[in-house]
This record gives sequence, structure tokens and C-alpha cells, in this order.
Amino acid sequence: SQKIEQNSEALNIQEGKTATLTCNYTNYSPAYLQWYRQDPGRGPVFLLLIRENEKEKRKERLKVTFDTTLKQSLFHITASQPADSATYLCARGSTLGRLYFGRGTQLTVWP
Amino acid sequence: GAGVSQSPSNKVTEKGKDVELRCDPISGHTALYWYRQSLGQGLEFLIYFQGNSAPDKSGLPSDRFSAERTGGSVSTLTIQRTQQEDSAVYLCASSLVESGHNEQYFGPGTRLTVT
Repeated sequence: SQKIEQNSEALNIQEGKTATLTCNYTNYSPAYLQWYRQDPGRGPVFLLLIRENEKEKRKERLKVTFDTTLKQSLFHITASQPADSATYLCARGSTLGRLYFGRGTQLTVWP
Repeated sequence: GAGVSQSPSNKVTEKGKDVELRCDPISGHTALYWYRQSLGQGLEFLIYFQGNSAPDKSGLPSDRFSAERTGGSVSTLTIQRTQQEDSAVYLCASSLVESGHNEQYFGPGTRLTVT
């Protein structure tokens, strides 16, 4: 099956450190990956999209990488803040338009 | 100019009853998606509408679930003869481009509780 997996269910880090979240895929090569943030009781919010021909993409304190050799995307939050605490979802697209989501990683940034 | 809206925000129903969940997508968005999220679980795809094409119903868990999209805008997800395992948050999303390259905009969800 074409799986997308987020290896860590939870990640706890201290404020100011860099948070690194991992998304792995198997048995296929997605043309792009997306990252979303979800807060409790809310719908996911789009953060970044990275295409297979892009090694890295940045947006403010966020950075996403895409390694087609390792079949992996890394999502980094630099200078993390307690307000960054949320669940982060990785998703791959399909030619039919739907997204396949990972189960998410719950990030907690403590002061 | 608002985002995706869903109603009701919460719905409590008795087992065996039918429920209807509504989604108003962002104006002009051609694609509309329904997902289900159970407690502590990931997003489960249910159904996808794109323009006038036949919907992708491959994620619907049983024939008790159905959805329609009227006039290419508002969508209604109907669950007949609800069961306790149907309890979850039902999320709707819309996007502008069918290819999926563009991001999906999610509504706040409808929390369904079947007693």
C-alpha cells in the first residue's frame, strides 16, 4: 500500500530549540508533500507545500525538506515557542486531487 | 470572503437516527472534500467532489453514508441509521485547483456523538 507515516506521535521540546518532525513514505514517489497544523477543536491549516524537485522550502521560522532518496520529508520549526504547540500533519497528493494524511505528530513546546 | 463553514458545530443523536451535516465551501473553490477524524486518529478520507465530475466515493465506509453537492457549492453529508462507531469529527475542506497542488482549506468540523 502507499503509506505515509509520521514516526513520532509526540515530541516535547524546550522553548527556543528547533523542532524536527519526520514524514516517511513507501512504495511510491509523491509529486509533492504538504504540511498542516491542527489545533484542538479546529480544522487543519495549510503551512507549506514542497515538490519532489525542490530540496528545501522556507517560510518564516518554518523549513521543509524533501529527500527522494530517503523517501522522507523533514519539517523544522526554529526558535520554537509555546504557541507552536499543536499537531502537525503531513500529507501527500494524488493525481485525483485527494490528499492522504499521516496520523500527525503532537508537538509540545514548554517554556 | 469567509472561510469554509460547517453546521452544526455539534450534533448529538440517538443510535438509529439519520443525521445531515452541512458544508459551505469558499466561494469559487471547485473541489470539496469530506473527512472523518476519530479521537486520537488521523484524517480519514470520505468523499471528494470536483466540478461537474462524478464524485470519488471510495472512502465512504458503508452504504449508510452518502453526500451530495448542489450547484457546485454547498454539500451535505448524510448518515443513515447512525451507529456508535460513527461518532467522530466530520471535517469539510475546499480547494481551488483540482490537481491537489493547491492547499486545502478546512472548516471547523462537526462533532457527531451517537448515543
